[in-house]
Amino acid sequence: EAGVAQSPRYKIIEKRQSVAFWCNPISGHATLYWYQQILGQGPKLLIQFQNNGVVDDSQLPKDRFSAERLKGVDSTLKIQPAKLEDSAVYLCASSLVGRSYFGPGTRLTVT
Amino acid sequence: DAKTTQPTSMDCAEGRAANLPCNHSTISGNEYVYWYRQIHSQGPQYIIHGLKNNETNEMASLIITEDRKSSTLILPHATLRDTAVYYCIVSVGGATNKLIFGTGTLLAVQP
Repeated sequence: EAGVAQSPRYKIIEKRQSVAFWCNPISGHATLYWYQQILGQGPKLLIQFQNNGVVDDSQLPKDRFSAERLKGVDSTLKIQPAKLEDSAVYLCASSLVGRSYFGPGTRLTVT
Repeated sequence: DAKTTQPTSMDCAEGRAANLPCNHSTISGNEYVYWYRQIHSQGPQYIIHGLKNNETNEMASLIITEDRKSSTLILPHATLRDTAVYYCIVSVGGATNKLIFGTGTLLAVQP
């Protein structure tokens, strides 16, 4: 089966600019997650969707981050405006019956 | 969610068994023990999970103590490709499973 797809794989932007990441989960997976992984740390959950509804966004910095999942399939995560501390790998995952499958991630560098 | 404690790093000789410990003394009765690993520059990969019985699959074995307060992941014949960060996570599982990652154990398999 095809895995979780993410794009772009790499992105470099200047602080105060905006950026968007895209994720296509595994077909049929109702649950979708976005994680932020800062260098040297484990992934941190930002937001969890069940179909196109938000289950948990308690760790999402809502003043600058937003996410949506249209039609319960693809998802986008946006940062506007970006800060230096947003430099990280952004991982998307989808889940079926408790087992999560991760995409390769998008490495964001904010200069 | 219950927290886990893992050693920061471990070494293992190629071809030998790698035994990775995890303490989860505050685990609840309905929480599973999950193991994921993350090879450099890749997204985390599911390895195995269990509730109270020992589990084995093509990748590894999971040994959970009778009181469920600790577990051990066993890679029976470690190879250089098993060098990765290994995460032990406790979670209720199910369709909306939420994984809270710690810092994991960096396993270095030595030739």
